[in-house]
Amino acid sequence: EAGVTQFPSHSVIEKGQTVTLRCDPISGHDNLYWYRRVMGKEIKFLLHFVKESKQDESGMPNNRFLAERTGGTYSTLKVQPAELEDSGVYFCASSRGGRTEAFFGQGTRLTVV
Amino acid sequence: GESVGLHLPTLSVQEGDNSIINCAYSNSASDYFIWYKQESGKGPQFIIDIRSNMDKRQGQRVTVLLNKTVKHLSLQIAATQPGDSAVYFCAVLTRTGGSYIPTFGRGTSLIVHP
Repeated sequence: EAGVTQFPSHSVIEKGQTVTLRCDPISGHDNLYWYRRVMGKEIKFLLHFVKESKQDESGMPNNRFLAERTGGTYSTLKVQPAELEDSGVYFCASSRGGRTEAFFGQGTRLTVV
Repeated sequence: GESVGLHLPTLSVQEGDNSIINCAYSNSASDYFIWYKQESGKGPQFIIDIRSNMDKRQGQRVTVLLNKTVKHLSLQIAATQPGDSAVYFCAVLTRTGGSYIPTFGRGTSLIVHP
């Protein structure tokens, strides 16, 4: 069974540009989460999908961030326009409905210069 | 909202020693607690979990202790090996609707010296 995969693994963009991160969860996992870790800080929750519906997006920093999960399969997280403080590692995780164990992808390291 | 904190950002131990990593949480209604290990360049990986109705759970070389009175969680690693070097995160899970959302702490970097 393939794990959670994220693309790209690294992205370096200039301030003001747009970046789209992709996450492919484990097949059959209804729950999909996005997290971000800024250097040395906690892994901070961004939002949670159940299938294609946003269940909780309380962690999204501002309206420059847009997450979608069309069809309830893969998800994208777009940052537009990117700012310097958006730099960090963005993790995606998925889990089966009602289950506690979330499986994480390897993360996308985003650097905004 | 939930807050999760770790007592030490870095823990250095000698190979073969036992390691103890601590975590404190704020929400007494939390249902599950999970320890994750994150190695460089990888995402967090599940190590062990414990339900709120338990106070101890053992795995292979790892033990998790839960003290609900003081809202404290610890991970004990026996006979620490160089391969255990990683960042360890505790995650506190609270049921929201039909799903569990993990809330993470800052992480403790475990450095094992040969």
